[in-house]
Amino acid sequence: DAKTTQPPSMDCAEGRAANLPCNHSTISGNEYVYWYRQIHSQGPQYIIHGLKNNETNEMASLIITEDRKSSTLILPHATLRDTAVYYCIVRPYRRNAGNNRKLIWGLGTSLAVNP
Amino acid sequence: DSGVTQTPKHLITATGQRVTLRCSPRSGDLSVYWYQQSLDQGLQFLIQYYNGEERAKGNILERFSAQQFPDLHSELNLSSLELGDSALYFCASSAADDREDGYTFGSGTRLTVV
Repeated sequence: DAKTTQPPSMDCAEGRAANLPCNHSTISGNEYVYWYRQIHSQGPQYIIHGLKNNETNEMASLIITEDRKSSTLILPHATLRDTAVYYCIVRPYRRNAGNNRKLIWGLGTSLAVNP
Repeated sequence: DSGVTQTPKHLITATGQRVTLRCSPRSGDLSVYWYQQSLDQGLQFLIQYYNGEERAKGNILERFSAQQFPDLHSELNLSSLELGDSALYFCASSAADDREDGYTFGSGTRLTVV
């Protein structure tokens, strides 16, 4: 079972902010939140990750609630090229070879950016 | 171009056959990960190699095997293929074993078993 819950689909108007929610209520103290996106069967693309502080990069912003049980990925000015499936994943960060077994990818949120 | 190269891009084969998928990681990356994505499914982690050694195993069938060579490229071998093995197979790489970095994915190999 996926450790995260995301809405199956969302729509956003081009030029507007897209806010993609993710629930991870069972997240552990050593688990990071990662976001990837996959554009039409291409390889997933890393977007951003965070532990407990909000993060921003050239692609997006990540807002993590204080209790860390949910987060929101923000695409500030969505374009048609942002149409993709967005995956929210929690991943433990320890130098432990077994960690990758715990990476569980759900079905993500299919974001449609409309003109 | 992500820097992770997967070949072939498409593969059509018959049931019972064996195929080999190849992955060249991004320059400087030591870890290689293999994922399977069936139609309308999330990515399933199969196996990870780090600098030639197996580091983690996921839901990989016994009919499947992989290895990472001294030049760091990796191959995923799928044998006794079944219709249900039809899927996208992705390879990803990262700089080290289980660092905080995100993974870099290749564009995948689409396997169709007929």
